[in-house]
Amino acid sequence: EILMTQSPATLSVSPGERATLSCRASQSVSNNLAWYQHKPGQAPRLLIYGTSTRATGVPDRFSVSGSGTEFTLTISSLQSEDFAVYYCQQYNSWPQTFGGGTKVGSK
Amino acid sequence: QVQLQESGPGLVKPSETLSLTCTISGGSTSGFFWSWIRQPPGKELEWIGFMFNGGITKYNPSLESRVTISGDTSRKQFSLKLTSVSAADTAVYYCARGSSRADVWGKGTTVTVSS
Repeated sequence: EILMTQSPATLSVSPGERATLSCRASQSVSNNLAWYQHKPGQAPRLLIYGTSTRATGVPDRFSVSGSGTEFTLTISSLQSEDFAVYYCQQYNSWPQTFGGGTKVGSK
Repeated sequence: QVQLQESGPGLVKPSETLSLTCTISGGSTSGFFWSWIRQPPGKELEWIGFMFNGGITKYNPSLESRVTISGDTSRKQFSLKLTSVSAADTAVYYCARGSSRADVWGKGTTVTVSS
């Protein structure tokens, strides 16, 4: 089973600032990686998959770089609605596995 | 747009069977895989398994001996059964669409295993 590690666990950002979230896989997942956004009381939302394809309706301030074992989710100019927990997930091998999440909160 | 809603008992006794239902609304169910995912308190999300057309299934090896995912998605529902539960099965349970990545999720339902 592939272990996914996210850092930092918590990130404090002011609106308008750039947020950078990291995700590391214990072995290569190629570009079979997805990112999700989860706000309290809501259903998790698929943001980006296949390393860099944004899901329907996701604004272009969200972008992803990396492949293999190291990935980065960047929110270029954080908006108030972006405060949430973000999870990465590999789907290169079964079972799919998730990282522990990064909570993006207000500075 | 497709929406998913989990339902079922919020409290299950140890050694009993956990049973949850996911109701699909607002869109087509044809041609999609349907999954269950859970998150125990303070732990990572865990993909339990998925089904396709009520016949094809695949389960996480860590749960395979205890789990059944079934249903007729043409009737807009599918279900999860987990037998012989223990406190380690206490979690928020989500139903979702997809077998590799999940592009639609329910809001989740909390299940506590306790006597």
